[in-house]
Amino acid sequence: RKEVEQDPGPFNVPEGATVAFNCTYSNSASQSFFWYRQDCRKEPKLLMSVYSSGNEDGRFTAQLNRASQYISLLIRDSKLSDSATYLCVVRSSASKIIFGSGTRLSIRP
Amino acid sequence: DGGITQSPKYLFRKEGQNVTLSCEQNLNHDAMYWYRQDPGQGLRLIYYSQIVNDFQKGDIAEGYSVSREKKESFPLTVTSAQKNPTAFYLCTSSTPGHRNTIYFGEGSWLTVV
Repeated sequence: RKEVEQDPGPFNVPEGATVAFNCTYSNSASQSFFWYRQDCRKEPKLLMSVYSSGNEDGRFTAQLNRASQYISLLIRDSKLSDSATYLCVVRSSASKIIFGSGTRLSIRP
Repeated sequence: DGGITQSPKYLFRKEGQNVTLSCEQNLNHDAMYWYRQDPGQGLRLIYYSQIVNDFQKGDIAEGYSVSREKKESFPLTVTSAQKNPTAFYLCTSSTPGHRNTIYFGEGSWLTVV
């Protein structure tokens, strides 16, 4: 089983739609969680950290469920510019950083 | 400005040759990482180092080697034993701590010809 798993997609949704991604992790001792965005042929950029209480940044909401070992990302009112690959990132207690394989999102006009 | 510098950005290698990718950071970070990304795929961990003179294998270390003689430098050698080395290679660094951001280099594209 992979340490971090994501639905690869692709998700193809119309502009203005709400879309949600999930990511599961296998190591219950994992300590910190992030969502990164990667555009084609570029390095990933931090989208947001994920806190236990859940957190929101504009149209983006991230949540963590430690009991079920998954994190989620919700994008509301999606824009064409949201088209990218979204990477789930998990940091273990030993500083090992593992990336999910990414979920591709395509927003259509 | 602090950051991570990877070089070269593009590299062509003949089969059977070793090549070394450079990664330098001036962020004073203890931990550094190398990942490989294939087209349409996620990032897979090759090696990581939490402190000078120490490093650990990641999930796909076979055919690669690293060194960490200085805090700011973590070069990756792609050896001839790596059978399918054509990929995008990313170096990252971070300080310990749950909330600390991961910094990325711009990546190195390696193509075997």
